[in-house]
Parts: sequence; structure tokens; C-alpha cells
Amino acid sequence: DSGVTQTPKHLITATGQRVTLRCSPRSGDLSVYWYQQSLDQGLQFLIHYYNGEERAKGNILERFSAQQFPDLHSELNLSSLELGDSALYFCASSGGEGRRKETQYFGPGTRLLVL
Amino acid sequence: DQQVKQNSPSLSVQEGRISILNCDYTNSMFDYFLWYKKYPAEGPTFLISISSIKDKNEDGRFTVFLNKSAKHLSLHIVPSQPGDSAVYFCAAIEGPNQFYFGTGTSLTVIP
Repeated sequence: DSGVTQTPKHLITATGQRVTLRCSPRSGDLSVYWYQQSLDQGLQFLIHYYNGEERAKGNILERFSAQQFPDLHSELNLSSLELGDSALYFCASSGGEGRRKETQYFGPGTRLLVL
Repeated sequence: DQQVKQNSPSLSVQEGRISILNCDYTNSMFDYFLWYKKYPAEGPTFLISISSIKDKNEDGRFTVFLNKSAKHLSLHIVPSQPGDSAVYFCAAIEGPNQFYFGTGTSLTVIP
């Protein structure tokens, strides 16, 4: 158990809909990272938050947004969903600010299926 | 464009033998590499890492080798155990903390 929790574990929805994925980092960790893993793809970095502030963006679509709240949990919002958004979404946390190399601890992921 | 590649989707090895998982990368700016292990229904867990200033790092049964000139990374598991059966992801870091992951290799260790 990494200490990172993600809810829900599974999500089935329809095209055009909007969903929210939630992540709680390990106790004491200030950084939260979001990744997308599509079929036969590696984990693609989406976005990094540190202590409530956005720090880095990867290949995140404009239809996607995220935020980190004062209690340090984070939410990833996916809107106008398309079939191609079906994927595993992982959240990871680390203790630092992300300015130096550090191990990231991953949650179990949320499997999203868009029908 | 996949900057970190794991060209073998799967590998089967007999228990007790050596498992060798390979990873290639294209970005010469990568200066830190990691291997993660993933069981079904769980997130990836950190296994071992290596800095680009080294060519080998060992941790128990796990050894990572780095060949910078070839832009090639490998993970050796000796001896392989059935509990090692999992998907292994290679990852590389550019800058402070920008992670790039490979597509994974599914290892099956046969008892």
C-alpha cells in the first residue's frame, strides 16, 4: 500500500459527459501528479500540483483540468468526454516540490470507460 | 513521440533463472532512470533507480545497468521468483521531475 488513495476505482460514462477523479496523497506529501495510461501506451504525464499551485503541465487536453485543495487532495476533471479518453488515470505523490529528483508513489488508479 | 521504449511487451522466465528487461530512450537530456513494478489492480511501485553518472546500481536481486552511449537501460533480476511476475515500467527523468514512462514489459516467472 503506497498510501495514495484514488476514487472511484472504476467509472463508466457516456460521450459528452463530465467526470471528476479524486486523489489523496500520502500523509505529508505536498506534490500530486496525474498520469494517463491508455491501451498499449506508457504512462503519460498530465499535470503536477505542489501545495495547491500548478507547477508543470504535460500532454493535458484543454478539456481536462485539475486542482489541489488546501487539504492537499487533488481532483482531475474530464469534460466533453470522448471514446479515446477511456484509460487508466493514476495519481502519484511525492514529498517535495518537484525541483529535484524524487521517488513518486502511485495510487491504484481509476479506470475510466467512455461508451 | 515515445521517448522511452520497451520493445518487448512480454517475457517468460523459469524460476531461479535470470530475467533481463530492456529499455531504450531517445532523449539525451535524461539524467535519471527508474524501474517501477506494477501488479494488477495496483499502481506502479518504485523498484530501483540509477543516475546517469553511474553505469550500474544493485539492490539485492535487482541490478540496473545503464549504457549511455547506446541510450539503453536494462534490469536484471537474479534469481527470478514467481512473486516477481508483474508488469515492469522503465522511466526516465528530464530536468527536476518530468517523468517519461515506457509502455511496460509483462514478466511471467514460471515455477
